[in-house]
Amino acid sequence: GEDVEQSLFLSVREGDSSVINCTYTDSSSTYLYWYKQEPGAGLQLLTYIFSNMDMKQDQRLTVLLNKKDKHLSLRIADTQTGDSAIYFCAERGHNQGGKLIFGQGTELSVKP
Amino acid sequence: EPEVTQTPSHQVTQMGQEVILRCVPISNHLYFYWYRQILGQKVEFLVSFYNNEISEKSEIFDDQFSVERPDGSNFTLKIRSTKLEDSAMYFCASSEETGGRYFGPGTRLLVL
Repeated sequence: GEDVEQSLFLSVREGDSSVINCTYTDSSSTYLYWYKQEPGAGLQLLTYIFSNMDMKQDQRLTVLLNKKDKHLSLRIADTQTGDSAIYFCAERGHNQGGKLIFGQGTELSVKP
Repeated sequence: EPEVTQTPSHQVTQMGQEVILRCVPISNHLYFYWYRQILGQKVEFLVSFYNNEISEKSEIFDDQFSVERPDGSNFTLKIRSTKLEDSAMYFCASSEETGGRYFGPGTRLLVL
C-alpha cells in the first residue's frame, strides 16, 4: 500500500539551513504537501508541489521533488527558533479530493 | 485569510457516549475531510465528502462513525458509541478541486 517515510528528528543552529527529507511509494502521486504542527496546534499548510514540477520556492522555503526516486525535501533557509515544530509531508494520489497519506513527521529543533 | 474552524477544541466523554465534532470549512471549498491523530502516531485519513455524499472512507470509519453536512456551512463527525481507542485529535479539512488542503485546529477527544 501507499507509504510515506520521514526521519524523526533534526536539530540545527539558528541561522543555518534545515533540510527535511521524505520518501513516498505511490508512483501516481499528483500533489505533495508540507505541513507544520506546533505543540498542541493544528496542521498549518506550508506549501505544496504538483508532481510535474521539480522545485518550488516560497520565501525561505524551497521544495525539491525527485519523482524518479520518489523523494521530496523541504529546505528552510535561515532557520529561526520559531521554526521549531513537527513537519509532516503528505502525498495525494490522482483522484481529485483523494485522501492524503502522511509521514510520521520530523521534529525540527532549532538551537540558538 | 479564510480558515477552517472546529468546535469544541476539547471534549471529554464517557465510553459508550455519543459525540459530535463540528467543523466549518472554508466557504468556497467543495471537498471536506476528517482525519485523526492518535498521540504519537501518524495523521490518519477517516473520510472524504463531496457533493453531499461520502466519496472515500478508510477502514477506521466503521458503522460507529457518520458525517453530515446539515446546512451550507457546517460539517460534522458523529461517533455513536465512543471507545477508549477513539481518543485522539480529530482534524477537519477542506479543499477546492485542486491544490491545498487546509486543516482546522483540531478537536482533542478524550474517552474515559
